[in-house]
Amino acid sequence: AQSVTQLGSHVSVSEGALVLLRCNYSSSVPPYLFWYVQYPNQGLQLLLKYTSAATLVKGINGFEAEFKKSETSFHLTKPSAHMSDAAEYFCAVSLGGDMRFGAGTRLTVKP
Amino acid sequence: EADIYQTPRYLVIGTGKKITLECSQTMGHDKMYWYQQDPGMELHLIHYSYGVNSTEKGDLSSESTVSRIRTEHFPLTLESARPSHTSQYLCASSPTGTGIHEQYFGPGTRLTVT
Repeated sequence: AQSVTQLGSHVSVSEGALVLLRCNYSSSVPPYLFWYVQYPNQGLQLLLKYTSAATLVKGINGFEAEFKKSETSFHLTKPSAHMSDAAEYFCAVSLGGDMRFGAGTRLTVKP
Repeated sequence: EADIYQTPRYLVIGTGKKITLECSQTMGHDKMYWYQQDPGMELHLIHYSYGVNSTEKGDLSSESTVSRIRTEHFPLTLESARPSHTSQYLCASSPTGTGIHEQYFGPGTRLTVT
């Protein structure tokens, strides 16, 4: 069965610094991968998704993620953090219709 | 922007009460889901439906029940609320068809059982 592991339940960066949120997946076959963002008191919103078309995926709000099969990773990055990026981020894997979510990483952005 | 709605947004209720959490979507999606979300934990699927009159239990055992009489409506019911049911409940939907589809989420219902 597929699963995802998000390394680091909390990440803190300064405004303008690089954002790196880590996600590793476990799947017997190449999966489909997603990153979602959740702002306080809201549901999850799709940031980007990998569906095997290209290994580097660009999403909304300046985020991107790179699929690395050899490392079974799908890390989320943004070159320069903004205060509005403070939120909870969830990595998810889908295979055959089921979607499995990681435990989430809370991103804090310091002024 | 996804059109999926949940009511109420917040609910505080006493033990033993019956409650229904509402979820509606206007996108015509066949697939709908209920997740339970606790702080620092992954989202746990508790129910899903692939269409009208279709409901299945998810991975996480839940004392709640669901129904799917209309495509757009997927309510979740707890016959007798307990403090262990205190959590955030998220409803989601996704289209069917070819390709891999993301799920669209409602804003959630935060339930507190006293």
